[in-house]
Amino acid sequence: DQQVKQNSPSLSVQEGRISILNCDYTNSMFDYFLWYKKYPAEGPTFLISISSIKDKNEDGRFTVFLNKSAKHLSLHIVPSQPGDSAVYFCAASAGGDYKLSFGAGTTVTVRA
Amino acid sequence: GAGVSQSPSNKVTEKGKDVELRCDPISGHTALYWYRQSLGQGLEFLIYFQGNSAPDKSGLPSDRFSAERTGGSVSTLTIQRTQQEDSAVYLCASTTGGTGELFFGEGSRLTVL
Repeated sequence: DQQVKQNSPSLSVQEGRISILNCDYTNSMFDYFLWYKKYPAEGPTFLISISSIKDKNEDGRFTVFLNKSAKHLSLHIVPSQPGDSAVYFCAASAGGDYKLSFGAGTTVTVRA
Repeated sequence: GAGVSQSPSNKVTEKGKDVELRCDPISGHTALYWYRQSLGQGLEFLIYFQGNSAPDKSGLPSDRFSAERTGGSVSTLTIQRTQQEDSAVYLCASTTGGTGELFFGEGSRLTVL
């Protein structure tokens, strides 16, 4: 049972433009959300997170937006750079639970 | 090294054989996770170790899977009588025990023929 869903398996964007990655979840108990980035042959690395008490968190070119009523979050990358080409995973946890539930990932390709 | 180390990086085995996958977490990290990623799927939780507490084995898909963590450090994931559906990348992660930021290894890619 996939509690975290990333419905777009891939995204192609031109360098310098905005990348928008979407994530939906079904478990209303989720209160902490994270994005991980994964390059080929490497493990995922933490990118950015947001608590459910916020609706936006920004870190440089990366911003995560949370819409609790819609059970939806998104990751914006502005401006997109070639080094951003990777697989991005959305993840969530509930009430301090140590187990993260992950989405299937979105492969981002930034075109020069 | 400073990161999470996993071995082997690649393992090809025949159906019915046993395999062992090893994880060496970041020094000082008390929490250790095993996840796996099958083709086209998200990361699936398998097992969690925290200090000396009993591990959370709720994600292990069958009794052919087991894991141990010796001395609160190195962990071994064992899959007995491997099946083709066990083919996946097995990822180990460690953390200091708080929520969220897990440090992943590069994974062990298992292919069962």
